[in-house]
Amino acid sequence: DTGVSQDPRHKITKRGQNVTFRCDPISEHNRLYWYRQTLGQGPEFLTYFQNEAQLEKSRLLSDRFSAERPKGSFSTLEIQRTEQGDSAMYLCASGIWGGNTEAFFGQGTRLTVV
Amino acid sequence: AQSVTQLDSQVPVFEEAPVELRCNYSSSVSVYLFWYVQYPNQGLQLLLKYLSGSTLVESINGFEAEFNKSQTSFHLRKPSVHISDTAEYFCAVRDNFNKFYFGSGTKLNVKP
Repeated sequence: DTGVSQDPRHKITKRGQNVTFRCDPISEHNRLYWYRQTLGQGPEFLTYFQNEAQLEKSRLLSDRFSAERPKGSFSTLEIQRTEQGDSAMYLCASGIWGGNTEAFFGQGTRLTVV
Repeated sequence: AQSVTQLDSQVPVFEEAPVELRCNYSSSVSVYLFWYVQYPNQGLQLLLKYLSGSTLVESINGFEAEFNKSQTSFHLRKPSVHISDTAEYFCAVRDNFNKFYFGSGTKLNVKP
């Protein structure tokens, strides 16, 4: 297993465009998390999934943000009508519900909105 | 509710000197604590974790942290740092729903 994989690693987009990021978790992990990290800050929780069920989405930053995990495997995070304030690192992590384990992080997708 | 406070945003230290990175948490539930390390433009890597048992936990590269319930702290220490330890360090707490909450990070800058 190669760990949590995120694609793309970098994305530059023009303001107003839509972007979608993909996360492939560690295969046996049933939990998947999305975090946002801005410069000088720790990761900020956005949403998470147990298999295909989205357990919490109230922390998504606005209704322009949405996430899916349709088959309980990979997940996508979409930002519609991007704004310059959306520029950040978007981190995905996976883990096991009920296990004594940590969250395993991918390398992140750095979004720059110009 | 869970929260994590890292009081020091930056810690400069000379190589081979000891270092302590401070972390305080608040949690209304059972406590599971973690330290992660992040190198530039990379994701977070687990350094060490406290789940239960011994309050002193160690990593493979010489870091250790002690869970102190009375002081609600989980400070990270290393007796002798190396240049390669230069990175940003994040303390995190996990709640009973397996959600993780992170502090704002401490940048450790090891100087020769």
